[in-house]
Amino acid sequence: DGGITQSPKYLFRKEGQNVTLSCEQNLNHDAMYWYRQDPGQGLRLIYYSQIVNDFQKGDIAEGYSVSREKKESFPLTVTSAQKNPTAFYLCASSSRTGGWGYGYTFGSGTRLTVV
Amino acid sequence: AQSVSQHNHHVILSEAASLELGCNYSYGGTVNLFWYVQYPGQHLQLLLKYFSGDPLVKGIKGFEAEFIKSKFSFNLRKPSVQWSDTAEYFCVLKSDRGSTLGRLYFGRGTQLTVWP
Repeated sequence: DGGITQSPKYLFRKEGQNVTLSCEQNLNHDAMYWYRQDPGQGLRLIYYSQIVNDFQKGDIAEGYSVSREKKESFPLTVTSAQKNPTAFYLCASSSRTGGWGYGYTFGSGTRLTVV
Repeated sequence: AQSVSQHNHHVILSEAASLELGCNYSYGGTVNLFWYVQYPGQHLQLLLKYFSGDPLVKGIKGFEAEFIKSKFSFNLRKPSVQWSDTAEYFCVLKSDRGSTLGRLYFGRGTQLTVWP
């Protein structure tokens, strides 16, 4: 079945360490997105990529980095510069074909805890 | 700038009560609106969407939403809630413009708790 795989589901990190969250999709979607979810704040966009080898900052990109070397993969690195990294991270993808009919697919998320 | 506002952060209802969750948006382009639901421990799921046409859209599980252009609103309704509707609900706007094409803008979410 097609979908988005995020790994790991739970991740613990020591302060001062960088950590990379994985996101892989087999939907042949052009665009991929990383969102951060905090209680009472909805989902906020960190980075997004509409095509391979290109990505744009979202609303809260500071302290994060991404790469898009392959269409299927959009890993997110949470760097030590991110002041408050403990959160739930969601990856999503969407197709740009089909006019306005492109749908979104969300992964199951990674819960990152800094200890 | 585009934005989505959800008026209620937490709504508590008894089973069989009627539900209406408010959502207002601010956007200058073509409106694409969604309601997503997140049940405890589960993925975000699409409840319904509005792109054009009939402003009253019906979604899954008996939910519906009405797009009122003059009020910039897209409120979610259900005539009779069930305990299983306990979840967090997000109103979402999709951009149709330039470099933000395809981006989603989320409201802060409304936590619905239904007591049996």
